[in-house]
Amino acid sequence: GAGVSQSPSNKVTEKGKDVELRCDPISGHTALYWYRQSLGQGLEFLIYFQGNSAPDKSGLPSDRFSAERTGGSVSTLTIQRTQQEDSAVYLCASSYYLGAKGSPLHFGNGTRLTVT
Amino acid sequence: TQLLEQSPQFLSIQEGENLTVYCNSSSVFSSLQWYRQEPGEGPVLLVTVVTGGEVKKLKRLTFQFGDARKDSSLHITAAQPGDTGLYLCAGDRDSNYQLIWGAGTKLIIKP
Repeated sequence: GAGVSQSPSNKVTEKGKDVELRCDPISGHTALYWYRQSLGQGLEFLIYFQGNSAPDKSGLPSDRFSAERTGGSVSTLTIQRTQQEDSAVYLCASSYYLGAKGSPLHFGNGTRLTVT
Repeated sequence: TQLLEQSPQFLSIQEGENLTVYCNSSSVFSSLQWYRQEPGEGPVLLVTVVTGGEVKKLKRLTFQFGDARKDSSLHITAAQPGDTGLYLCAGDRDSNYQLIWGAGTKLIIKP
């Protein structure tokens, strides 16, 4: 596709419900990243994928968070039993390969998650 | 621990003024990137600097990478309302694949 696509763009959910966020990276990009951003703040790294593999899951805030990537393309970030502190904008980015020097990140417009 | 310190956190100036945003660290980076983010959108890459002492210009924006590759600055000449946004710096340390992000500088240019 022309850019990184994220869906839904907005999600309001009740505390305790599960949510699934989707990311469609740029075709051919092998690396995919998930970040979380609180209002007007910097980016909090969550997880990255090289192909379908996520070598380091230590950035995920709790065991309620999980992510997968299939076919080296689409990725989903799942938050179980959502809490109010999970409210944020979740950004997905992709790059042609890992290592930012020669392969900048291309971001989607994010999913704004509100937990009520 | 904030490994990349951005300053100022917030800046509101009049159209036509000049400004400088700083990104500082005690760590050495193999490269450093600057992004601009507008409300409701994801960050968009402005520039990547790689070599110590490197200066890159993008129209009215001038980016500099420190000689020791620990810091960077962004200078905007004759700021315009279209420059309004959140400016983020991000450093690459090669040792892992996570970019280290600054907390951002929120810039408002008033007409």
